[in-house]
Amino acid sequence: EDQVTQSPEALRLQEGESSSLNCSYTVSGLRGLFWYRQDPGKGPEFLFTLYSAGEEKEKERLKATLTKKESFLHITAPKPEDSATYLCAVQEYTDKLIFGTGTRLQVFP
Amino acid sequence: DSGVTQTPKHLITATGQRVTLRCSPRSGDLSVYWYQQSLDQGLQFLIQYYNGEERAKGNILERFSAQQFPDLHSELNLSSLELGDSALYFCASSASSAGIGTEAFFGQGTRLTVV
Repeated sequence: EDQVTQSPEALRLQEGESSSLNCSYTVSGLRGLFWYRQDPGKGPEFLFTLYSAGEEKEKERLKATLTKKESFLHITAPKPEDSATYLCAVQEYTDKLIFGTGTRLQVFP
Repeated sequence: DSGVTQTPKHLITATGQRVTLRCSPRSGDLSVYWYQQSLDQGLQFLIQYYNGEERAKGNILERFSAQQFPDLHSELNLSSLELGDSALYFCASSASSAGIGTEAFFGQGTRLTVV
């Protein structure tokens, strides 16, 4: 069965303290892996798309990487405004877009 | 603004009733996805349509149904509502359903409360 697992479930960081979020997946025929940010009560906001192992994408303090079995979202020198739930999703060959349960990030000043 | 519009934003209804949630995708997007997000839960995939045809199905209850119309807007119908159906319902749209994966853009959701 296709699965997407994110860890840790929650992460508390001091402002400026870099860290990484993990997304491991088992799917049949990966067509793409996506990272989203979700604020409470809002719709997920698209961040990155990764297609193949070795690929990396960067945006401000965020960098996403992909291997054959997992993806990492690296957060460098986070700020309080980076506090949100970060969601990983994979699209497999049947078109299903499957989400993990997310990592709830809190960044304290 | 993602360009995906969902209406209504909030809905309060009684158990046993039926409601319809509406989604207008981004201009030009052919794929529409529906998700359910209960309190502190992840996004549960319900169903996907592509250019009017059902494309993929997730854990959608038999009491729920959806369709995509020729103008590409989509509706999610929820019937015989139960208290446990209270959740945020999200619609997302993407440009393509073929080849490489294409990112989906989400609406702001409809918050359904069943009392």
